[in-house]
Amino acid sequence: AQRVTQPEKLLSVFKGAPVELKCNYSYSGSPELFWYVQYSRQRLQLLLRHISRESIKGFTADLNKGETSFHLKKPFAQEEDSAMYYCALPNRDDKIIFGKGTRLHILP
Amino acid sequence: SQTIHQWPATLVQPVGSPLSLECTVEGTSNPNLYWYRQAAGRGLQLLFYSVGIGQISSEVPQNLSASRPQDRQFILSSKKLLLSDSGFYLCAWSVRGGNSPLHFGNGTRLTVT
Repeated sequence: AQRVTQPEKLLSVFKGAPVELKCNYSYSGSPELFWYVQYSRQRLQLLLRHISRESIKGFTADLNKGETSFHLKKPFAQEEDSAMYYCALPNRDDKIIFGKGTRLHILP
Repeated sequence: SQTIHQWPATLVQPVGSPLSLECTVEGTSNPNLYWYRQAAGRGLQLLFYSVGIGQISSEVPQNLSASRPQDRQFILSSKKLLLSDSGFYLCAWSVRGGNSPLHFGNGTRLTVT
């Protein structure tokens, strides 16, 4: 069955330290994965998608099919990165399944 | 440009009363439409999605229903609210096919008292 797992509910990182938000998935076939972000008092929005292979706000995510992972990384955390992050996986019927989310808290 | 409107932003309703939350999309045609519920520690739960007028898929058994009377209108309803229906409801749309990303509304905070 299709599944997205984000093992950490809360991740606290000091400003300037590296960030890694974990996401593992279960999917038969070639997945297309997304990361969404929700900043305080803002709507949930797309951060990046693996097919774009781009860096957004310093974040990158690489699809590792061997480990079935799509971890979100940033080398140096900034205070404005504090937010709720969701990993998401669409299936062939355009249903999009989300993980339970990880709250990232950047410590000063 | 495309926009999505969801209302009301907040709603307080007594147990047993009906519910109607509305979502409309502008600037696009034939979108996929979705209703999610967001709960702390439980992530985003897909409630309903629709690929066209009158076509609704329900993902979880519950006290809620959804309708799509027009191409860009998606309504979440209940005949009789339960306390457990309290939560934060999000409407979203995407371009049909091709694993397109979701675009979310601002959400509705529903409190059932």
